[in-house]
Amino acid sequence: ETGVTQTPRHLVMGMTNKKSLKCEQHLGHNAMYWYKQSAKKPLELMFVYSLEERVENNSVPSRFSPECPNSSHLFLHLHTLQPEDSALYLCASSPGGQGYGYTFGSGTRLTVV
Amino acid sequence: KQEVTQIPAALSVPEGENLVLNCSFTDSAIYNLQWFRQDPGKGLTSLLLIQSSQREQTSGRLNASLDKSSGRSTLYIAASQPGDSATYLCAGTDRGSTLGRLYFGRGTQLTVWP
Repeated sequence: ETGVTQTPRHLVMGMTNKKSLKCEQHLGHNAMYWYKQSAKKPLELMFVYSLEERVENNSVPSRFSPECPNSSHLFLHLHTLQPEDSALYLCASSPGGQGYGYTFGSGTRLTVV
Repeated sequence: KQEVTQIPAALSVPEGENLVLNCSFTDSAIYNLQWFRQDPGKGLTSLLLIQSSQREQTSGRLNASLDKSSGRSTLYIAASQPGDSATYLCAGTDRGSTLGRLYFGRGTQLTVWP
């Protein structure tokens, strides 16, 4: 384990379902991120939270809704997804500020049917 | 917009070889650079971080360098082993971004056979 824990590891959902992805970090970091990794594409930044405040939304459709109740937890709420949303969703954290590296979780493999 | 190119896209070698993986950025103004390893279906494991004041980092058989004038980085793997088989990703952050948004390449898929 890297210090960033994601659950569930795998998720299969229908297009009308509502589900949530969870991320928890035990590193005392101030910034948390959601990234999406689709087949044959580079990782794409979705959302950035700093000290529980959303500071970046990278043109992500509203069917993805993030929530950061405290600096240790990050959620991604999913509803009415499309099959093209099937991907590996990765959570990461960093201390914030320049000069620090990222720590990633193991990801949630999402399949939309 | 920053774009990252990794060469080669795939590499298959016998164990024991010394390897060079390349990464380049369209905008050379990279602040930090990080190399990651990703095993199939898994998350990213950080290998090396080159901070803004540094040009090189080493960990065991791995060495990474960054030429900020050209925006190019190289990951050197010495005496490769089958356990090194994975996808290697480079990522960089821009200056001026306190949250250090990472720009990723598509990765180099490495296979080391016995």
